[in-house]
Amino acid sequence: RKEVEQDPGPFNVPEGATVAFNCTYSNSASQSFFWYRQDCRKEPKLLMSVYSSGNEDGRFTAQLNRASQYISLLIRDSKLSDSATYLCVVKEGYKLSFGAGTTVTVRA
Amino acid sequence: ETGVTQSPTHLIKTRGQQVTLRCSSQSGHNTVSWYQQALGQGPQFIFQYYREEENGRGNFPPRFSGLQFPNYSSELNVNALELDDSALYLCASSSRGAGAGETQYFGPGTRLLVL
Repeated sequence: RKEVEQDPGPFNVPEGATVAFNCTYSNSASQSFFWYRQDCRKEPKLLMSVYSSGNEDGRFTAQLNRASQYISLLIRDSKLSDSATYLCVVKEGYKLSFGAGTTVTVRA
Repeated sequence: ETGVTQSPTHLIKTRGQQVTLRCSSQSGHNTVSWYQQALGQGPQFIFQYYREEENGRGNFPPRFSGLQFPNYSSELNVNALELDDSALYLCASSSRGAGAGETQYFGPGTRLLVL
């Protein structure tokens, strides 16, 4: 079983729409959780950390459910610039474990 | 920009050759982690270096080795290259003990093609 599993998408949404997707992780001892964004042929960039109480950063909302080992990301009022692959990331000790990514395409 | 740099940006090698990839960490960061990202996959952890010592290793064979230097820059060496080693190699720097989940910041990567 993979350490982090994500809905691969792709999600193809119009500008202004809301899109949400999630991932699950296998290690209940995981300590920290993140969403990274990766544009085509570029490096991953930190989008936001994910906290147990849920947190928002502008149009982005992340939720963590430790009991179900489930992490979600919601994007409101989608912009063309939100088109990217979103990587669910779980930190276990010294290493980061990545999901394979969810591809989001926002169309005009 | 994260301040993490990697060289070279692209590289083409043939099967059986050896390759060295380089990474300069962000100023103030003492830890470097290396990841391999195959096409269509998420990055996979290779190993991490802290204070010039290997701090942890993923599921990669011994022909993947590394170094960290006193200035915290790092090298990834791969011997006896195989076709499946073709991937984007990412270096990430962080500051161990900094708290806040010790966020890792990625360099632009080296794209390796093995023919």
